[in-house]
Amino acid sequence: KQEVTQIPAALSVPEGENLVLNCSFTDSAIYNLQWFRQDPGKGLTSLLLIQSSQREQTSGRLNASLDKSSGRSTLYIAASQPGDSATYLCAVNTGNQFYFGTGTSLTVIP
Amino acid sequence: KAGVTQTPRYLIKTRGQQVTLSCSPISGHRSVSWYQQTPGQGLQFLFEYFSETQRNKGNFPGRFSGRQFSNSRSEMNVSTLELGDSALYLCASSPGAGGYGYTFGSGTRLTVV
Repeated sequence: KQEVTQIPAALSVPEGENLVLNCSFTDSAIYNLQWFRQDPGKGLTSLLLIQSSQREQTSGRLNASLDKSSGRSTLYIAASQPGDSATYLCAVNTGNQFYFGTGTSLTVIP
Repeated sequence: KAGVTQTPRYLIKTRGQQVTLSCSPISGHRSVSWYQQTPGQGLQFLFEYFSETQRNKGNFPGRFSGRQFSNSRSEMNVSTLELGDSALYLCASSPGAGGYGYTFGSGTRLTVV
């Protein structure tokens, strides 16, 4: 069974810092990996989707990388802003379902 | 383009009752998946429907069931509600089954008292 781990569980940084969120998974047989953002009590907003054949994807200040062979993905956030405060979830698609990590709770301090 | 719509947004039910939640996917999306989110267990897969057929099912008791209509709208039903069923229920749609990304709805917050 696929297991997804996210480190750290919580992160607090001052505004303007660059930061990296980590995601690891146990089975490299995946179709894609998706990063989501969740605000308290809300649904999930898709940030980036990386297909298994890709190494990275970029959107604005966000960059996600994927190393399938080592079972790792990172989400890099540049020049963090208070509005980036949320929980970030990584999800691995095996073709049958997505397996989610437990998330990293990010707080950006003004 | 309209997103994934879940109704109702909030529900309060009594233990032992049953409940039906609705999900309308993005136009053209044929796959709908349901997830339960709780503080203790995180996001857990319930089931996926594609072209009106249940394609995959997670590890939940038979009290949890679903269906999909010809217009791809999906409903999820929970019978004989238990306190532990209190959760945020999220539905996600994708263009097809398998290797596509998800677009999630805002969820239905179910509270069982």
